[in-house]
Amino acid sequence: LAKTTQPISMDSYEGQEVNITCSHNNIATNDYITWYQQFPSQGPRFIIQGYKTKVTNEVASLFIPADRKSSTLSLPRVSLSDTAVYYCLVGARDDKIIFGKGTRLHILP
Amino acid sequence: GAVVSQHPSRVICKSGTSVKIECRSLDFQATTMFWYRQFPKKSLMLMATSNEGSKATYEQGVEKDKFLINHASLTLSTLTVTSAHPEDSSFYICSAHWGAENTDTQYFGPGTRLTVL
Repeated sequence: LAKTTQPISMDSYEGQEVNITCSHNNIATNDYITWYQQFPSQGPRFIIQGYKTKVTNEVASLFIPADRKSSTLSLPRVSLSDTAVYYCLVGARDDKIIFGKGTRLHILP
Repeated sequence: GAVVSQHPSRVICKSGTSVKIECRSLDFQATTMFWYRQFPKKSLMLMATSNEGSKATYEQGVEKDKFLINHASLTLSTLTVTSAHPEDSSFYICSAHWGAENTDTQYFGPGTRLTVL
């Protein structure tokens, strides 16, 4: 299971684009990169998953460079409701997940 | 998308009693489910992997006789906290693996808040 490193916390303002970068230097060939969002007293919610290059869905984009040793979650035009903890996870898609500490994102008005 | 439910959402019990928490995959079958616990302001900690029709695999440091896991069907896994004590008070979360064409990942339940008095 590849270890991930991400900032402990970030602040941003409403309407801004937020980019959270995750480092995973020892990612394996069959590992995918998955991001989850968690609000207090709720289970994590799947945001996006990717293997290489760029993935986009209705809530976020995920940028993965060619070496795959890092990834960036991009949240466009954040709102107060995006205040949450964001987890970057790396591993085979059907394997167990070991959570890191995540990034505590605080959106300010 | 895949939906995972948990019941109950919160439970309060007396010390020494046992508590059962259910985890269900509502619209898909899951041969593998996972159980986590989370303390305030901390990350999720994996407790065990629940395998349908076989014994659960526990992470190091998790007492299998205290946290009984049963995965009797492809849509239901249960976690029983036996002889609960105040230090077992925590937020318990389950997840189930769902594979589909566009996403193949784990989906999490809403969690169960356990308070042991």
